[in-house]
Amino acid sequence: NAGVTQTPKFRVLKTGQSMTLLCAQDMNHEYMYWYRQDPGMGLRLIHYSVGEGTTAKGEVPDGYNVSRLKKQNFLLGLESAAPSQTSVYFCASSYWDRGSYEQYFGPGTRLTVT
Amino acid sequence: AQSVAQPEDQVNVAEGNPLTVKCTYSVSGNPYLFWYVQYPNRGLQFLLKYITGDNLVKGSYGFEAEFNKSQTSFHLKKPSALVSDSALYFCAVRGPTGNQFYFGTGTSLTVIP
Repeated sequence: NAGVTQTPKFRVLKTGQSMTLLCAQDMNHEYMYWYRQDPGMGLRLIHYSVGEGTTAKGEVPDGYNVSRLKKQNFLLGLESAAPSQTSVYFCASSYWDRGSYEQYFGPGTRLTVT
Repeated sequence: AQSVAQPEDQVNVAEGNPLTVKCTYSVSGNPYLFWYVQYPNRGLQFLLKYITGDNLVKGSYGFEAEFNKSQTSFHLKKPSALVSDSALYFCAVRGPTGNQFYFGTGTSLTVIP
């Protein structure tokens, strides 16, 4: 199993450009999450999904959109990138009904917006 | 509101000594608590969790954590630290709806040879 994979690993954008981050998991998990990690702030939840075709806002959703068209994929979009979105982005997935709840994380995408 | 506090940004410990990384939480309802570890340039890895049952939970790599309801704490411990334990450690709590998790700001652990 590959677990949780993220594409791309690194990206540099200019202010105003758009991009999509792809997360894929092969563990048949229902739940998927997008976090951003910033120094001194830990991980903050951007959006999450409890199943195919569903999405919901987390703590810091502004400036981001998501889609979950297939159970195994969760896409994070930035329509008009801003320097404040410079961060490391992590995708995670988990079961929801097996008493486990622990999340499995991808390796991260380092995004710089200039 | 749900939250997790990790009061120490940095913890240094000598190899072979016991280590403790502190975490306190605030959550409505029964707490579901987690510890994760992050090595440089990697994603987070699950270490252990408390859902219910014994207050002392054991996890991966010899780590354990003690749940204390009266002090709303969930401190991570290891009896004998290894240099390879040096990493960033995050405490997390599951929100009351079960759909969201709240992470602390992380504690950087350095084990000195």
